[in-house]
Amino acid sequence: QVQLQESGPGLVKPSQTLSLTCTVSGGSISSGGYYWSWIRQHPGKGLEWIGYIYYSGSTYYNPSLKSRVTISVDTSKNQFSLKLSSVTAADTAVYYCARADLYSNYFDYWGQGTLVTVSS
Amino acid sequence: QSALTQPASVSGSPGQSITISCTGTSSDVGGYNYVSWYQQHPGKAPKLMIYEVSNRPSGVPDRFSGSKSGNTASLTISGLQAEDEADYYCSSYTSSSTVFGGGTKLTVL
Repeated sequence: QVQLQESGPGLVKPSQTLSLTCTVSGGSISSGGYYWSWIRQHPGKGLEWIGYIYYSGSTYYNPSLKSRVTISVDTSKNQFSLKLSSVTAADTAVYYCARADLYSNYFDYWGQGTLVTVSS
Repeated sequence: QSALTQPASVSGSPGQSITISCTGTSSDVGGYNYVSWYQQHPGKAPKLMIYEVSNRPSGVPDRFSGSKSGNTASLTISGLQAEDEADYYCSSYTSSSTVFGGGTKLTVL
């Protein structure tokens, strides 16, 4: 059974960079067939796709966030990471990591989510 | 990319059927059979309920079904149960990215 777990600071100051890591267990990121994804949910709002990465390092980002987002992968640790720069209060959200099917683009496994608050 | 359009809320009584619509464009919902649906209970992560428009993952009751016509996808829940009360989100592939719907709150009366 694949499991994903987000980790990182729960509080980030405005203008700084938000950094989160997702650790995958029960399966190898390097096995292929999946994109490794970040999705966020503003308090009381809907889901917003941030982007995803293939184990080879190929990335795809939401055009509205592309200028501030970097997703990377560390196959040796079976982890992938999110960096979001120049954050503001509008980036306060629950951040989820998830696995997406490479061909059909559905998210079948999700982390529990981690709340990141942007505040001074 | 704009969010897919879902009704903000729907409701039904136990045993009844409800349908949630998800409207996009020919660039997303209408252009690909890669529509998926997610159920989210308060404080929990979303759970995949339907993928590729109408396929159910193992373990999802057959009370849940999906369909698509043109630029609109639909999720139907038959034989409503109390535990179906949750938020539901649709999602579609669109040119190397993903777009979600705004979400629909299902209330079981």
